[in-house]
Amino acid sequence: DVKVTQSSRYLVKRTGEKVFLECVQDMDHENMFWYRQDPGLGLRLIYFSYDVKMKEKGDIPEGYSVSREKKERFSLILESASTNQTSMYLCASSSPSGNRGNTQYFGPGTRLTVL
Amino acid sequence: AQRVTQPEKLLSVFKGAPVELKCNYSYSGSPELFWYVQYSRQRLQLLLRHISRESIKGFTADLNKGETSFHLKKPFAQEEDSAMYYCALSGHSGNQFYFGTGTSLTVIP
Repeated sequence: DVKVTQSSRYLVKRTGEKVFLECVQDMDHENMFWYRQDPGLGLRLIYFSYDVKMKEKGDIPEGYSVSREKKERFSLILESASTNQTSMYLCASSSPSGNRGNTQYFGPGTRLTVL
Repeated sequence: AQRVTQPEKLLSVFKGAPVELKCNYSYSGSPELFWYVQYSRQRLQLLLRHISRESIKGFTADLNKGETSFHLKKPFAQEEDSAMYYCALSGHSGNQFYFGTGTSLTVIP
């Protein structure tokens, strides 16, 4: 079974702090994704990465950056946290060459609160 | 551009009644369609993919290319089906992945 883990389940930070969210997958997947999940808005893609050191902006990249130095790890960085970044953050991974097609596998989520 | 549309935010049905969660999409080319489910306090997980044409937990979904729809159906709803359901679309390489806004299904005992 694919396992996607996220560094924290709950996180509370103050406005202006730098925040790191980490995601690790153990299935050698090429693609990794960061979403935020908000009620009524569904999942919105922040960034994705299709290879080490490669990244592409999603629909809402403003205020976020990412890092992928190793294939299994994809980090989301909030350079200066703001209250409107309070949300549930989901990480996912997938591989187009796998026998499940482009199925995305999700981590448990990190609920971030910015005070 | 809106790629995946789920018109119902909330849907309530009685136990044993049929249920249909609607999903329409727009995409040029041949997308891959998915339904994901999130039960209370659990992670988002795949329910089914159109390519595999399988039935999972009694749910089925047929891809209708003419109507660009991928509605999720179950003939007899169960209480344990209460969850948030997301329709999703992927491009061929998997680099493009779009989710709908989700439908919260409540099955009333």
